[in-house]
Amino acid sequence: NAGVMQNPRHLVRRRGQEARLRCSPMKGHSHVYWYRQLPEEGLKFMVYLQKENIIDESGMPKERFSAEFPKEGPSILRIQQVVRGDSAAYFCASSPTGGRGSYNEQFFGPGTRLTVL
Amino acid sequence: GENVEQHPSTLSVQEGDSAVIKCTYSDSASNYFPWYKQELGKGPQLIIDIRSNVGEKKDQRIAVTLNKTAKHFSLHITETQPEDSAVYFCAASGYNQGGKLIFGQGTELSVKP
Repeated sequence: NAGVMQNPRHLVRRRGQEARLRCSPMKGHSHVYWYRQLPEEGLKFMVYLQKENIIDESGMPKERFSAEFPKEGPSILRIQQVVRGDSAAYFCASSPTGGRGSYNEQFFGPGTRLTVL
Repeated sequence: GENVEQHPSTLSVQEGDSAVIKCTYSDSASNYFPWYKQELGKGPQLIIDIRSNVGEKKDQRIAVTLNKTAKHFSLHITETQPEDSAVYFCAASGYNQGGKLIFGQGTELSVKP
């Protein structure tokens, strides 16, 4: 039973380019969360998605960042026109349940380490 | 919103000793408290969690306690081993967080042989 898959594991972009990060949840999990970890810091929530729906994007920067979780395929976190401050580790987590009122065991992927030159 | 504070930021113990990491939270409606272990270059690994309807949970050398009145919870690792060396994160979640986890700042645990 494969865990949460993320790719690429490392991504290098120049300022102004686009970054696309992919996440495949664990089998049977329909809830996906994205978190960002800046160097020497904890994890900060970005966005929570279910299939074809964004449930909570309160942690997403207002500009340049977007996320989707289509009916088929992985969840995608997209960062347009990257800047050096976007350099961080981006983690995806999946859960079999989600939302208010549920205990959300979240299982994390290995992360994508984005470096912006 | 919810705020989670974690202490200490670094902890060094001798192999075989116990280690305790403490977290406090601000939202009394939070009801789920997981602990994660993160090794260098890897993703966080869920090691134990506790729900607000119990005060203590144990799994071999790891235990977690929860004091809802004081709004704090702690991770206890007994008989520490060098492979326990990692960064540990506490988190809180509940109705008001809508499913997302609010993390503490992390504790870097070093177990010296």
